[in-house]
Amino acid sequence: QQQVKQSPQSLIVQKGGISIINCAYENTAFDYFPWYQQFPGKGPALLIAIRPDVSEKKEGRFTISFNKSAKQFSLHIMDSQPGDSATYFCAASMREYSSASKIIFGSGTRLSIRP
Amino acid sequence: DTGVSQDPRHKITKRGQNVTFRCDPISEHNRLYWYRQTLGQGPEFLTYFQNEAQLEKSRLLSDRFSAERPKGSFSTLEIQRTEQGDSAMYLCASSLGSRSNEQFFGPGTRLTVL
Repeated sequence: QQQVKQSPQSLIVQKGGISIINCAYENTAFDYFPWYQQFPGKGPALLIAIRPDVSEKKEGRFTISFNKSAKQFSLHIMDSQPGDSATYFCAASMREYSSASKIIFGSGTRLSIRP
Repeated sequence: DTGVSQDPRHKITKRGQNVTFRCDPISEHNRLYWYRQTLGQGPEFLTYFQNEAQLEKSRLLSDRFSAERPKGSFSTLEIQRTEQGDSAMYLCASSLGSRSNEQFFGPGTRLTVL
């Protein structure tokens, strides 16, 4: 059972454009939604995260939009740069302090920014 | 470097051999996680420790897999009688108990079973 569904699988964006990656989740017990960035041969790096009590979070060029009723969230990368070319994973996990703090990852989006 | 470290970075072994990986978490982090990532997929949870106690194991963790964190610091993941299907990137992550959702990943150990 895929608890976090991510799309698209791959994405090509022109330099300076907006990259948008979408995710949907099923389990309403999830209450923490991070995005990870992974370069080839490296481990995933935490990029930005949101909790369901807010609808948007922005950090620099990266913005998460969150729709609790639709159980969907998305990552927007503004002014996309060649250095943003990487694989992006959306993810979800449950409440802190519980034993269920494992992260459930989406299948990933390979983003390529054309110069 | 104060991040999560893993050793070795790459391991090539023959089917049937045993392998052991090591993870050193960020020093003040009391939670440590192991994940497995196959090519083109997101990481999948294997197991996690709070201090030295192993609190959860995934059904992905067959009897051939064992993990330890003897003193609540570094952790080892051993795979016995390796199979070709074990070929993957094994990732370690750590988090601070009070903010356990924020997990920081190491560079991973790439295992290839021939």
